[in-house]
Amino acid sequence: KAGVTQTPRYLIKTRGQQVTLSCSPISGHRSVSWYQQTPGQGLQFLFEYFSETQRNKGNFPGRFSGRQFSNSRSEMNVSTLELGDSALYLCASRPTDSLVGELFFGEGSRLTVL
Amino acid sequence: LAKTTQPISMDSYEGQEVNITCSHNNIATNDYITWYQQFPSQGPRFIIQGYKTKVTNEVASLFIPADRKSSTLSLPRVSLSDTAVYYCSPHQGGKLIFGQGTELSVKP
Repeated sequence: KAGVTQTPRYLIKTRGQQVTLSCSPISGHRSVSWYQQTPGQGLQFLFEYFSETQRNKGNFPGRFSGRQFSNSRSEMNVSTLELGDSALYLCASRPTDSLVGELFFGEGSRLTVL
Repeated sequence: LAKTTQPISMDSYEGQEVNITCSHNNIATNDYITWYQQFPSQGPRFIIQGYKTKVTNEVASLFIPADRKSSTLSLPRVSLSDTAVYYCSPHQGGKLIFGQGTELSVKP
């Protein structure tokens, strides 16, 4: 079974630009979560989607947005990029929206903002 | 949301048992406790999950006392490949709250 696939794996943007990251969950998984990882702040929850609906949202500004499609694939968008947005963005999927169960993480998209 | 406190780093030798304790004083009633392992430039990988008492799987054990304000991950007979960062996370569903993690270094 293929794992969680994130694209692109690496990208470089400049301040003020916007970026879209894509995540394909494991087949059959309907929940997708996004996390930001930086050396200073660690792993931080961005948002979670289930069946195209945002279920939870972390404490990030409105520049960070996401969506989920009917095939469970998800995208996240960051507008008006700032230097501090440089990070590893991780996507995770799981089969249901139950309280329990493991998250399966992708390898991440490493964003560098210059 | 429950915040977590873990030792920043730990050292061990191959073949030893390693216990990593995580404090989560304000854990919510419905929170489960899950531990993840992360290698550099990779996404976290699930190790074990529990709600209370003891849970064991093929790679680790998880001990959770009755008050659930802490949890201890036990790794039996660690090897060099267990060198990684370990995170505990009280959570409900897909919203994990990670602390700073414990960087475990296993030496030969």
